[in-house]
Amino acid sequence: EVQLVESGGDLVQTGGSLRLSCAGSGFTFSSFAMNWVRQAPGKGLEWVSGISGSGVSTDYADSVKGRFTISRDNSKNTLYLQMNSLRAEDTAVYYCARLPVKYSPYYFDYWGQGTLVTVSS
Amino acid sequence: EIVMTQSPATLSVSPGDRATLSCRASQSFSSNLAWYQQKPGQAPRLLIYGASTRATGIPARFSGSGSGTEFTLTISSLQSEDFAVYYCHQYGNWPPYTFGQGTKLEIK
Repeated sequence: EVQLVESGGDLVQTGGSLRLSCAGSGFTFSSFAMNWVRQAPGKGLEWVSGISGSGVSTDYADSVKGRFTISRDNSKNTLYLQMNSLRAEDTAVYYCARLPVKYSPYYFDYWGQGTLVTVSS
Repeated sequence: EIVMTQSPATLSVSPGDRATLSCRASQSFSSNLAWYQQKPGQAPRLLIYGASTRATGIPARFSGSGSGTEFTLTISSLQSEDFAVYYCHQYGNWPPYTFGQGTKLEIK
């Protein structure tokens, strides 16, 4: 059974940093591209970032480019999102989501349960 | 960036009836469109990909259609567990991936 479990969400001050993790199990982690998608309280879904199965190729939404860094450790079956210079508008539940292929673009076939990031002054 | 617009924002339907949800794109991108269902406090769940292919385990009462800029999700004979928020997602013109703002399907 495919499982994605996020962790690392917390309350952080404006301008601070946070690193999110997503542990994958039940599948060959390195064979699938992974993404982060966020959802602000009461709002819709917003794609944040994606990474290929090998980790060589990465992409970012304009809203986070230069502040967030996506990475993965295939030996640990774990996806990361390093978030720097956090703003109030980054407050959201962050989901990791899997593509059913090694490279983007494609749809998201499995999602984690999410981890809440709250940015406050 | 392709802008996805869903309508209506809220749809009130009685159990057993049919629901039709629409998703319109600001520009054409073939059939690379997915639909997700999200219930309160839960992660989104994939329902449809490729505009019309049901994901594994999705009941046959869910169907998708459309191409280009106009897409539809139809739920025939609504069950109590179908009342949720539904999002469309285009993956044909990327980056970025974009989603519609969601349609809330509520019990009438």
